[in-house]
Amino acid sequence: QQQVKQSPQSLIVQKGGISIINCAYENTAFDYFPWYQQFPGKGPALLIAIRPDVSEKKEGRFTISFNKSAKQFSLHIMDSQPGDSATYFCAATVQGGSEKLVFGKGTKLTVNP
Amino acid sequence: EPEVTQTPSHQVTQMGQEVILRCVPISNHLYFYWYRQILGQKVEFLVSFYNNEISEKSEIFDDQFSVERPDGSNFTLKIRSTKLEDSAMYFCASSEIGGSTDTQYFGPGTRLTVL
Repeated sequence: QQQVKQSPQSLIVQKGGISIINCAYENTAFDYFPWYQQFPGKGPALLIAIRPDVSEKKEGRFTISFNKSAKQFSLHIMDSQPGDSATYFCAATVQGGSEKLVFGKGTKLTVNP
Repeated sequence: EPEVTQTPSHQVTQMGQEVILRCVPISNHLYFYWYRQILGQKVEFLVSFYNNEISEKSEIFDDQFSVERPDGSNFTLKIRSTKLEDSAMYFCASSEIGGSTDTQYFGPGTRLTVL
Protein backbone atom coordinates (compact mmCIF):
# COMPACT_ATOMS: atom_id res chain seq x y z
CA GLN A 1 0.00 0.00 0.00
CA GLN A 2 3.01 2.24 0.39
CA GLN A 3 3.95 1.75 -3.26
CA VAL A 4 3.88 4.14 -6.14
CA LYS A 5 3.75 2.32 -9.47
CA GLN A 6 5.36 4.04 -12.45
CA SER A 7 5.25 3.30 -16.14
CA PRO A 8 6.74 2.96 -18.65
CA GLN A 9 10.19 1.85 -17.54
CA SER A 10 11.72 3.50 -20.59
CA LEU A 11 10.48 5.88 -23.23
CA ILE A 12 11.90 7.08 -26.53
CA VAL A 13 10.45 10.21 -28.08
CA GLN A 14 11.39 12.30 -31.08
CA LYS A 15 12.38 15.91 -30.57
CA GLY A 16 9.27 18.07 -30.44
CA GLY A 17 7.05 15.20 -29.34
CA ILE A 18 5.09 14.76 -26.12
CA SER A 19 6.49 12.52 -23.39
CA ILE A 20 3.98 11.02 -20.98
CA ILE A 21 4.89 9.16 -17.80
CA ASN A 22 2.23 7.65 -15.58
CA CYS A 23 2.07 6.85 -11.89
CA ALA A 24 -0.52 5.22 -9.67
CA TYR A 25 -0.84 4.81 -5.94
CA GLU A 26 -2.97 2.93 -3.44
CA ASN A 27 -2.45 4.81 -0.20
CA THR A 28 -5.18 7.43 0.05
CA ALA A 29 -3.18 9.19 2.75
CA PHE A 30 -0.71 10.34 0.09
CA ASP A 31 -1.46 13.96 -0.69
CA TYR A 32 1.66 15.52 -2.10
CA PHE A 33 3.14 14.31 -5.36
CA PRO A 34 6.53 15.58 -6.56
CA TRP A 35 8.34 14.59 -9.71
CA TYR A 36 12.11 14.32 -9.71
CA GLN A 37 14.48 14.48 -12.68
CA GLN A 38 17.84 12.76 -12.58
CA PHE A 39 20.69 13.19 -15.03
CA PRO A 40 23.53 10.65 -15.17
CA GLY A 41 26.01 11.17 -12.35
CA LYS A 42 23.69 13.51 -10.47
CA GLY A 43 21.18 13.05 -7.70
CA PRO A 44 17.43 13.43 -8.27
CA ALA A 45 16.28 17.06 -8.45
CA LEU A 46 12.75 18.34 -7.87
CA LEU A 47 11.09 19.19 -11.17
CA ILE A 48 7.48 19.96 -10.32
CA ALA A 49 4.97 18.94 -7.65
CA ILE A 50 1.20 18.89 -7.16
CA ARG A 51 -1.30 18.66 -4.36
CA PRO A 52 -4.55 16.76 -5.01
CA ASP A 53 -6.77 19.80 -4.59
CA VAL A 54 -5.93 20.71 -8.20
CA SER A 55 -6.24 18.53 -11.27
CA GLU A 56 -3.38 20.06 -13.21
CA LYS A 57 -0.21 22.04 -12.65
CA LYS A 58 1.90 23.50 -15.41
CA GLU A 59 5.42 24.89 -15.30
CA GLY A 60 6.79 25.75 -18.70
CA ARG A 61 6.79 22.62 -20.85
CA PHE A 62 6.10 20.34 -17.87
CA THR A 63 2.55 19.54 -16.73
CA ILE A 64 1.28 17.24 -14.02
CA SER A 65 -2.23 15.87 -14.48
CA PHE A 66 -3.87 14.46 -11.39
CA ASN A 67 -6.91 12.16 -11.14
CA LYS A 68 -7.79 11.78 -7.49
CA SER A 69 -10.64 9.32 -7.96
CA ALA A 70 -8.44 7.02 -10.05
CA LYS A 71 -5.43 7.59 -7.77
CA GLN A 72 -3.31 8.32 -10.79
CA PHE A 73 -1.08 11.16 -11.85
CA SER A 74 1.06 11.76 -14.87
CA LEU A 75 3.86 13.97 -16.15
CA HIS A 76 3.57 15.45 -19.62
CA ILE A 77 6.60 17.00 -21.28
CA MET A 78 5.54 19.10 -24.25
CA ASP A 79 7.90 19.84 -27.13
CA SER A 80 10.40 17.33 -25.75
CA GLN A 81 14.05 18.25 -26.26
CA PRO A 82 17.23 16.16 -26.25
CA GLY A 83 18.22 18.00 -23.07
CA ASP A 84 15.18 16.45 -21.38
CA SER A 85 16.79 13.01 -21.71
CA ALA A 86 17.02 11.83 -18.10
CA THR A 87 15.40 9.48 -15.62
CA TYR A 88 12.15 10.73 -14.14
CA PHE A 89 10.79 9.59 -10.80
CA CYS A 90 7.34 10.20 -9.43
CA ALA A 91 7.04 10.24 -5.66
CA ALA A 92 4.51 10.76 -2.90
CA THR A 93 4.37 11.88 0.69
CA VAL A 94 1.71 12.32 3.28
CA GLN A 95 1.27 16.06 3.72
CA GLY A 96 1.71 17.05 7.31
CA GLY A 97 3.06 13.62 8.08
CA SER A 98 6.26 11.78 7.34
CA GLU A 99 8.99 13.48 5.30
CA LYS A 100 9.75 10.14 3.68
CA LEU A 101 9.52 10.30 -0.10
CA VAL A 102 8.02 7.12 -1.58
CA PHE A 103 9.39 6.82 -5.09
CA GLY A 104 8.26 5.07 -8.23
CA LYS A 105 10.82 2.91 -10.04
CA GLY A 106 11.71 5.59 -12.55
CA THR A 107 11.35 6.13 -16.29
CA LYS A 108 14.36 6.56 -18.50
CA LEU A 109 13.44 9.11 -21.16
CA THR A 110 15.45 9.42 -24.35
CA VAL A 111 14.62 12.26 -26.71
CA ASN A 112 16.12 11.72 -30.15
CA PRO A 113 17.21 14.77 -32.14
CA GLU B 1 23.79 27.46 -6.35
CA PRO B 2 24.37 25.56 -3.09
CA GLU B 3 24.38 21.80 -3.46
CA VAL B 4 24.68 18.64 -1.43
CA THR B 5 28.03 16.92 -1.85
CA GLN B 6 28.91 13.31 -1.14
CA THR B 7 32.19 11.44 -0.80
CA PRO B 8 33.44 9.12 -2.04
CA SER B 9 31.70 8.80 -5.37
CA HIS B 10 32.46 5.09 -5.43
CA GLN B 11 33.41 2.81 -2.55
CA VAL B 12 34.43 -0.81 -2.94
CA THR B 13 34.61 -2.93 0.19
CA GLN B 14 34.80 -6.51 1.27
CA MET B 15 31.81 -8.20 2.90
CA GLY B 16 31.90 -7.76 6.66
CA GLN B 17 33.87 -4.52 6.56
CA GLU B 18 32.65 -1.23 7.96
CA VAL B 19 32.06 1.69 5.62
CA ILE B 20 31.33 5.33 6.27
CA LEU B 21 29.62 7.39 3.60
CA ARG B 22 29.99 11.12 3.94
CA CYS B 23 27.72 13.97 3.00
CA VAL B 24 27.89 17.73 3.31
CA PRO B 25 24.32 19.07 3.27
CA ILE B 26 23.43 22.57 2.16
CA SER B 27 24.69 24.88 4.86
CA ASN B 28 21.44 26.41 6.17
CA HIS B 29 19.48 23.16 6.02
CA LEU B 30 18.37 21.49 9.22
CA TYR B 31 16.87 18.20 8.05
CA PHE B 32 18.92 15.39 6.61
CA TYR B 33 18.10 12.14 4.91
CA TRP B 34 19.64 9.02 3.46
CA TYR B 35 18.10 7.04 0.62
CA ARG B 36 19.43 4.13 -1.35
CA GLN B 37 18.84 2.72 -4.81
CA ILE B 38 19.73 -0.85 -5.60
CA LEU B 39 20.60 -1.18 -9.29
CA GLY B 40 17.45 -1.33 -11.39
CA GLN B 41 15.15 -0.69 -8.43
CA LYS B 42 13.46 2.33 -6.95
CA VAL B 43 14.96 4.88 -4.62
CA GLU B 44 14.14 3.84 -1.03
CA PHE B 45 14.08 5.92 2.13
CA LEU B 46 16.46 4.87 4.87
CA VAL B 47 16.42 7.51 7.58
CA SER B 48 15.68 11.12 8.44
CA PHE B 49 17.64 13.15 10.99
CA TYR B 50 16.95 16.41 12.76
CA ASN B 51 18.40 18.12 15.80
CA ASN B 52 20.96 15.35 16.28
CA GLU B 53 18.32 12.68 16.44
CA ILE B 54 16.79 10.15 14.08
CA SER B 55 13.25 11.31 13.40
CA GLU B 56 12.21 8.38 11.24
CA LYS B 57 13.76 5.21 9.91
CA SER B 58 12.65 2.48 7.54
CA GLU B 59 12.70 -1.23 8.15
CA ILE B 60 15.84 -1.38 6.01
CA PHE B 61 17.67 0.75 8.57
CA ASP B 62 18.53 -1.98 11.05
CA ASP B 63 21.19 -2.16 13.74
CA GLN B 64 23.93 -2.40 11.11
CA PHE B 65 23.24 1.19 10.10
CA SER B 66 23.90 4.37 12.02
CA VAL B 67 23.95 8.07 11.22
CA GLU B 68 25.84 10.90 12.79
CA ARG B 69 26.43 14.59 12.41
CA PRO B 70 29.96 14.70 13.81
CA ASP B 71 30.43 18.44 13.27
CA GLY B 72 28.55 21.41 11.90
CA SER B 73 28.89 20.43 8.28
CA ASN B 74 29.12 16.66 7.79
CA PHE B 75 26.43 14.01 7.93
CA THR B 76 27.53 10.40 7.80
CA LEU B 77 26.02 6.98 7.22
CA LYS B 78 27.89 4.06 8.73
CA ILE B 79 27.31 0.44 7.82
CA ARG B 80 28.96 -1.68 10.49
CA SER B 81 29.33 -5.02 8.74
CA THR B 82 28.54 -4.81 5.07
CA LYS B 83 26.60 -7.51 3.24
CA LEU B 84 26.48 -8.23 -0.47
CA GLU B 85 22.92 -6.89 -0.55
CA ASP B 86 24.10 -3.51 0.72
CA SER B 87 25.55 -2.86 -2.74
CA ALA B 88 23.62 0.16 -3.99
CA MET B 89 23.76 3.85 -4.74
CA TYR B 90 23.35 5.82 -1.52
CA PHE B 91 21.92 9.33 -1.76
CA CYS B 92 22.11 11.96 0.92
CA ALA B 93 19.51 14.72 0.89
CA SER B 94 18.78 17.80 2.94
CA SER B 95 15.91 20.21 3.36
CA GLU B 96 15.65 23.61 4.96
CA ILE B 97 12.59 23.42 7.17
CA GLY B 98 11.52 19.78 6.95
CA GLY B 99 7.96 18.67 6.53
CA SER B 100 6.47 16.49 3.86
CA THR B 101 6.26 19.26 1.26
CA ASP B 102 9.64 20.93 1.75
CA THR B 103 11.98 20.30 -1.17
CA GLN B 104 14.64 17.71 -0.49
CA TYR B 105 17.90 18.42 -2.31
CA PHE B 106 19.84 15.32 -3.25
CA GLY B 107 23.55 14.79 -3.58
CA PRO B 108 25.09 12.92 -6.53
CA GLY B 109 25.30 9.68 -4.59
CA THR B 110 27.94 7.21 -3.47
CA ARG B 111 28.03 3.91 -5.30
CA LEU B 112 28.82 1.19 -2.76
CA THR B 113 30.02 -2.13 -4.08
CA VAL B 114 30.35 -4.98 -1.58
CA LEU B 115 32.46 -7.93 -2.78
